[in-house]
Amino acid sequence: AQSVSQHNHHVILSEAASLELGCNYSYGGTVNLFWYVQYPGQHLQLLLKYFSGDPLVKGIKGFEAEFIKSKFSFNLRKPSVQWSDTAEYFCAVKSGGSYIPTFGRGTSLIVHP
Amino acid sequence: KAGVTQTPRYLIKTRGQQVTLSCSPISGHRSVSWYQQTPGQGLQFLFEYFSETQRNKGNFPGRFSGRQFSNSRSEMNVSTLELGDSALYLCASSLAVAGPTDTQYFGPGTRLTVL
Repeated sequence: AQSVSQHNHHVILSEAASLELGCNYSYGGTVNLFWYVQYPGQHLQLLLKYFSGDPLVKGIKGFEAEFIKSKFSFNLRKPSVQWSDTAEYFCAVKSGGSYIPTFGRGTSLIVHP
Repeated sequence: KAGVTQTPRYLIKTRGQQVTLSCSPISGHRSVSWYQQTPGQGLQFLFEYFSETQRNKGNFPGRFSGRQFSNSRSEMNVSTLELGDSALYLCASSLAVAGPTDTQYFGPGTRLTVL
């Protein structure tokens, strides 16, 4: 069965710092990859997704992620975070033709102004 | 286009009771999935319905059940509530025509507290 690891459970940054959140998955075949964000009190929103093509994908609000097949990774990055990026971030993976994504446990990001 | 809606937003129940949660998907979406979100476990998949049929099921006890209606609206039922059922229950909908490349869109969730 697919498993998704988000190694950073809690991240605290100051505004303007750079962000990288790790996501690793276990399945070695074809995968479809997603990052979702959950702002305090709000619902999960899609940040970006990767299905095929350019492994560097850009999402909303200045976020980007890079798919590295050899490392089974799909890390999320943002060059300069803002206080409004304080949220919980979830990586999700669909693999083997599955309709259902497997989610990581999430990373809580706190950005200090 | 309206997003995924869930009712009620908050529920307080006592152990042993049962509860029904409702989800209305985005118009045109045929697949509805349910997840349980807790701080320690993240999002855990409960089940997915497509065209009124349960298509996928997660690893939850039989106390958790669901159904989907002809208009794609879905309900989830939890019987004989336990303290550990306290969680945020999320509903997600998708078009379900592209399979693995479908994107799920989430509702705001129902916060269930079991006392």
